[in-house]
Amino acid sequence: SAVISQKPSRDICQRGTSLTIQCQVDSQVTMMFWYRQQPGQSLTLIATANQGSEATYESGFVIDKFPISRPNLTFSTLTVSNMSPEDSSIYLCSVTGIMNTEAFFGQGTRLTVV
Amino acid sequence: QQQVKQSPQSLIVQKGGIPIINCAYENTAFDYFPWYQQFPGKGPALLIAIRPDVSEKKEGRFTISFNKSAKQFSLHIMDSQPGDSATYFCAARTTNTGNQFYFGTGTSLTVIP
Repeated sequence: SAVISQKPSRDICQRGTSLTIQCQVDSQVTMMFWYRQQPGQSLTLIATANQGSEATYESGFVIDKFPISRPNLTFSTLTVSNMSPEDSSIYLCSVTGIMNTEAFFGQGTRLTVV
Repeated sequence: QQQVKQSPQSLIVQKGGIPIINCAYENTAFDYFPWYQQFPGKGPALLIAIRPDVSEKKEGRFTISFNKSAKQFSLHIMDSQPGDSATYFCAARTTNTGNQFYFGTGTSLTVIP
């Protein structure tokens, strides 16, 4: 299984600012994803982080709000831009295993926007 | 549109009971059905998974039952313990959409000592 380190684990931010979340995997993986989990809710896919090219965003999510980088096969960042209280949520990095079956998750970043 | 529908939303059982969580799907292209367990403050962790060519899979106290014709699958937890108290998510995946996973809405399970 892949070990995923996600930083920061939590943060409290002022509205209008931006936060960059880092995701580091202990092995090269093909697929990396970013999810949002609002309190008591399920996981919603934000985007697929593509190595060396622009991320693929799901409906309702845009690059200007959630820019994503993936400079190599083991690292990705998600930025939450111009934050508002509605962005308060848990953000999760996920990767698929070498056989592209299991999905593994980081511990999440709990973001509170005040 | 919710690709995977999960019920119940919450569940309370006595220790030793057998909670059952159900999921249903419509997309016949789904080819992998995992269950995830999430404790507060943690990311989801893979618990057990099944492929559609198998009707049942057991791992320890956890069993998945799969009904391909009904497009339903369920998680059974045998001899439930207070430590099983967590949120459980079913999911489904298809390689047709780049290995994207679709998650159910989650079930909050409480096992009372």
